Amino acid sequence: DAKTTQPPSMDCAEGRAANLPCNHSTISGNEYVYWYRQIHSQGPQYIIHGLKNNETNEMASLIITEDRKSSTLILPHATLRDTAVYYCIVRDNFGNEKLTFGTGTRLTIIP
Amino acid sequence: GAGVSQSPSNKVTEKGKDVELRCDPISGHTALYWYRQSLGQGLEFLIYFQGNSAPDKSGLPSDRFSAERTGGSVSTLTIQRTQQEDSAVYLCASSLRLSGQGNYGYTFGSGTRLTVV
Repeated sequence: DAKTTQPPSMDCAEGRAANLPCNHSTISGNEYVYWYRQIHSQGPQYIIHGLKNNETNEMASLIITEDRKSSTLILPHATLRDTAVYYCIVRDNFGNEKLTFGTGTRLTIIP
Repeated sequence: GAGVSQSPSNKVTEKGKDVELRCDPISGHTALYWYRQSLGQGLEFLIYFQGNSAPDKSGLPSDRFSAERTGGSVSTLTIQRTQQEDSAVYLCASSLRLSGQGNYGYTFGSGTRLTVV
């Protein structure tokens, strides 16, 4: 059972920041927030994950609210290659190993 | 290799035949997962291997599906007496688990597209 809620689709203009929201109001204290994306006809790709602090890597930034009930994935300068389905997943890192994918957000970057 | 390798990339089989799908995980990754994705659908968990522990088979849809992982490395997913509803992309992923530190992100292969005719 997916424990997250995401909008089914979003558009973003090329070169602008894409902000993808995710609600996870039932997240527990030991659960991490993971983001993956799946470009058409490819396997999902890991993007970033975090527990409670904001995280940044070469692909994206992850902003987690103080109460941890929601988060936002930020792609700072979206390109056409960022068009994909983006999945927000919560999972603890000890014991329950499998990732449960929901329906995600289909992000379309507009030229 | 540098990534997760799956073979074959495409497989067309007749209804009722058995198929074997192979996954070569990233060297040193102790955890291996199988998922499947039907056309236009999300990812459905099938089975998970972690080191020498008993696999989590809770996602296998029927007893026609089985998987093994030999020597803690290569895994084979077998589907017996294939049915048309088995048509999907079968994805394998692996991850590195450091003791006491939990899992890092998965690395997925490109999948095997199975078509049952």
